[in-house]
Amino acid sequence: AQKITQTQPGMFVQEKEAVTLDCTYDTSDPSYGLFWYKQPSSGEMIFLIYQGSYDQQNATEGRYSLNFQKARKSANLVISASQLGDSAMYFCAMRESAAGGTSYGKLTFGQGTILTVHP
Amino acid sequence: DTEVTQTPKHLVMGMTNKKSLKCEQHMGHRAMYWYKQKAKKPPELMFVYSYEKLSINESVPSRFSPECPNSSLLNLHLHALQPEDSALYLCASSPHIHGELSNQPQHFGDGTRLSIL
Repeated sequence: AQKITQTQPGMFVQEKEAVTLDCTYDTSDPSYGLFWYKQPSSGEMIFLIYQGSYDQQNATEGRYSLNFQKARKSANLVISASQLGDSAMYFCAMRESAAGGTSYGKLTFGQGTILTVHP
Repeated sequence: DTEVTQTPKHLVMGMTNKKSLKCEQHMGHRAMYWYKQKAKKPPELMFVYSYEKLSINESVPSRFSPECPNSSLLNLHLHALQPEDSALYLCASSPHIHGELSNQPQHFGDGTRLSIL
């Protein structure tokens, strides 16, 4: 079963507008972390923002914010004031508890969303 | 510039060749990872090293052989690869895989684009 679902294969946004990239997840573990990464065409995976399952507030990092709705198991990325350089593939990823088991250290990625920013 | 350095950036090799991919980090991280990524797909985990010991092998074929000579270096030795092994190979590191630090982000290198002829 898919643990991380990104339902938008591609998104388009006008420069300087805000855009929301969707991510839903599935886990029965009470302790987990959610990450967003950006991957430009050059290939590097760039860490953007992190949300812990016990965090009370939504994470923010500059123009990036995470709309975390725990009951709905969603962790959408909001990019404000889009820039041309934001055009890239965006991955949502989850790390489940490191306490025992063989899943420790493992990130599960969604299929990604390609964001295109138009001038 | 990334803090995880991968060499070479591009590699073309024949199916009978032996080559190695290298990864280096100087952030004091004790967990290091190899991922394989096909175009427009998410990265797939191959190996995890924790404190220079192999912790996870995701049922990777033996033609891929990882090595962690010390806490800063991670190698991936390649031998008798198949055309379907052509992909972007990403190395990553993180402070730890256990406890409170386990939710620190993984830092990725730029990757090696591997083509098998």
